[in-house]
Amino acid sequence: AQSVTQPDIHITVSEGASLELRCNYSYGATPYLFWYVQSPGQGLQLLLKYFSGDTLVQGIKGFEAEFKRSQSSFNLRKPTVHWSDAAEYFCAVGAMVAAGNKLTFGGGTRVLVKP
Amino acid sequence: EAGVAQSPRYKIIEKRQSVAFWCNPISGHATLYWYQQILGQGPKLLIQFQNNGVVDDSQLPKDRFSAERLKGVDSTLKIQPAKLEDSAVYLCASSASGLRSYNEQFFGPGTRLTVL
Repeated sequence: AQSVTQPDIHITVSEGASLELRCNYSYGATPYLFWYVQSPGQGLQLLLKYFSGDTLVQGIKGFEAEFKRSQSSFNLRKPTVHWSDAAEYFCAVGAMVAAGNKLTFGGGTRVLVKP
Repeated sequence: EAGVAQSPRYKIIEKRQSVAFWCNPISGHATLYWYQQILGQGPKLLIQFQNNGVVDDSQLPKDRFSAERLKGVDSTLKIQPAKLEDSAVYLCASSASGLRSYNEQFFGPGTRLTVL
């Protein structure tokens, strides 16, 4: 069965600094990988996804992520953080199983942005 | 294109009461999912429908939770009776049929349930 680990529960970053959120997954086949963002009281918004091809994926809001098969990682990065990036971020791995598509989420990383 | 619709957005009930949530998926999406997201955790799948049939309900507490998708379109999730630990956000998602390829899930805004 697939699983996702986000090692950092909280990260505090200064506005204007860079941000990197870690994600490690466990899955026996080629994974479908996602990063979602959730602002307080809001639903999940897809930031970016990796299905195949170029391992560096560009997303919305200036985010990017790099798939590293050898490390089973899919870390999210942003070069310059804005105060509006304060939110919770979820990494997820998708898989095709007998019952259809399945999406498994990590526990999330809460990002706090200091002025 | 309209997204996934959910109602109500917020609900406060007392323990042992009943509650129902409604979800209308994106038009044409055959697969519908209900997730439970407890505060501070990632969403956890409760039940997955393919058209009007259940394909995965292994994580659904069947003694108190039930869900249906009678006409293969909208869906209702019910809790009866509610417990304090059911306080969470209930997310509905939909995707095109995933039997032959992986299809992205699209999420609704969620229903925040508080059980007092």
